[in-house]
Amino acid sequence: NAGVTQTPKFRILKIGQSMTLQCAQDMNHNYMYWYRQDPGMGLKLIYYSVGAGITDKGEVPNGYNVSRSTTEDFPLRLELAAPSQTSVYFCASSGQGYGYTFGSGTRLTVV
Amino acid sequence: DAKTTQPPSMDCAEGRAANLPCNHSTISGNEYVYWYRQIHSQGPQYIIHGLKNNETNEMASLIITEDRKSSTLILPHATLRDTAVYYCIVRPNYGGATNKLIFGTGTLLAVQP
Repeated sequence: NAGVTQTPKFRILKIGQSMTLQCAQDMNHNYMYWYRQDPGMGLKLIYYSVGAGITDKGEVPNGYNVSRSTTEDFPLRLELAAPSQTSVYFCASSGQGYGYTFGSGTRLTVV
Repeated sequence: DAKTTQPPSMDCAEGRAANLPCNHSTISGNEYVYWYRQIHSQGPQYIIHGLKNNETNEMASLIITEDRKSSTLILPHATLRDTAVYYCIVRPNYGGATNKLIFGTGTLLAVQP
């Protein structure tokens, strides 16, 4: 049972480049989330999804897009990378009413 | 905004109990208290949650005051591996748009040898 899998683990982007952070879960959870964590700070919610085909903005959605075509996958898209998007990105999933399971994170640097 | 207040840091001697406080004076009747921890560079890990009764599992105990305005997470025998940032979060325990965790800044627990 893999839980929540994030790829890649590390990535360096140049300003203006685009990329997709992948997130997959194998627990049949309806709810999935993307967070970012800047150095020394708590996690900030970017986007979340309550089921396939349904997504909504969190606290800091600007500069990002998401899609949820299947229950298992919840990719996060950065269209025009900026230095302010340098951060560690965590994906998480949860079933009805219980604790979240987090992935191991993607460390992104924009130069 | 986070609805909880925690001290920014605490120390604890190895082998002793670590008691981490959390204030949530505006908690609603349908909101649970959740605790997570984040060991350096890893994803947060679920510890425990409760509504109004004290809860215990293999990791920790959660003590919630009768008025539910504060709680304490207890690690009974802290080890060096318990050094982490501990987050106290309140949220409803049902699904939908409100089923999301909003993190504050947490408490950095440093377990000393």
